[in-house]
Parts: sequence; C-alpha cells; structure tokens
Amino acid sequence: GAVVSQHPSRVICKSGTSVKIECRSLDFQATTMFWYRQFPKKSLMLMATSNEGSKATYEQGVEKDKFLINHASLTLSTLTVTSAHPEDSSFYICSASSSASGRNEQFFGPGTRLTVL
Amino acid sequence: AQSVTQPDIHITVSEGASLELRCNYSYGATPYLFWYVQSPGQGLQLLLKYFSGDTLVQGIKGFEAEFKRSQSSFNLRKPSVHWSDAAEYFCAVGIYGNKLVFGAGTILRVKS
Repeated sequence: GAVVSQHPSRVICKSGTSVKIECRSLDFQATTMFWYRQFPKKSLMLMATSNEGSKATYEQGVEKDKFLINHASLTLSTLTVTSAHPEDSSFYICSASSSASGRNEQFFGPGTRLTVL
Repeated sequence: AQSVTQPDIHITVSEGASLELRCNYSYGATPYLFWYVQSPGQGLQLLLKYFSGDTLVQGIKGFEAEFKRSQSSFNLRKPSVHWSDAAEYFCAVGIYGNKLVFGAGTILRVKS
C-alpha cells in the first residue's frame, strides 16, 4: 500500500514554456501533499505543502507565481512550473500523507526530472 | 531551528562488512525520526521510522537504527552490507505541520 506516482518521469522543455507535473496517491487518500526540489548531489528542499481544497503554503524563498500548486482532490496534486528557465532544471519529488498516517509519515513519488533548454 | 546532520558525505564499505551511518538532529520536542534510501534518479523509500517506545527499531532490507536521546542521534546500521545497498541514504526529522527536515545525505559505495 501507500503508493505514490508521478507523471511524467522526465520532461524536456524549451525556455519560456510551462510544464505540469502530476502527483497521485494510488491507494490512499492524501490529505496533504508536499513538493520537494532536489539539486544534484544535494538533499531535498521542501518547496510547498498543499492540503486538499485549499491554497498551498510555500516555503520561504519559493516563488508561488512561478511554481503553481493545485491539490484539487484527495488523490491528485499538480505542480506547474510557469515560464520555465534553465535554472529551473532539477529533480522534483512529491510526497503524500494522510490524516490516518499522521506523525509526519510521508510516501514519496519516484520523482520527475525536468530539463529546461 | 530544526536541523539534521549527516556528517559523512561518502562512505565506502566492503561487501559483507558492517555499516553504520550517522545522523544527529536538533529539535526541541520529542522527535519523529526517519531513514530513507534513494537510488539514482529515483524517489525515496522508507527504511524505518521511530515514533516512540523501543529505541532500537527494525526496518526493511535488514537495516536497524537506534535512537539515543542523550546524544540526539539516530544512527542506521546493517550487520552485513550487500552490493545492492549502494545508494544514498537520508535521515529526516518530523517537525510541525507534518513536515520533514532532511539531512544532506550519505552516499554509500560497496566494494566487492
């Protein structure tokens, strides 16, 4: 149980375009989803926390107008990188938790590699 | 502020040898502690977690970790490493809002 998927696994786009990444909880209802960014050979940096049906809470220094997060249902959250630039190239990982799991337990997706040309 | 320190960036062990990965945390309240493993280009897989109770916790793939409150540590151990254990390992502490704070990670290399 507790499987989280991400789509796409890899995406290459041109500078200035927008890219949408989907995060789905396949076998449980995710009341909270988290979006992380991981730079090469670095740890995970939390970008934002989203609760179903409400606006995402962004961490300090993360541009909310650039990284649009929508958590429309208990099984789906999306991250849209708007007007992407090469510096947005990174590995994006989502995670999901439920009110039932509690205690900070998060289940992670396999990640999405974004390359902006 | 909450933080997690993994002092070893890289560790190399021989296959069959024992392993200990260090993790120290800083958090004012009773910590919830986690160890995750990440293979290249993949997401994170939970190895084990500590919430309360027995300070020695068992995880998957033969891993265990011991919570030592006096040392603010949660070191990961495995008695005999397999080549397939080569990966990056992250220690994390749970904080308010169900968030996780991760350490910088330790890359494990296994030599045959």
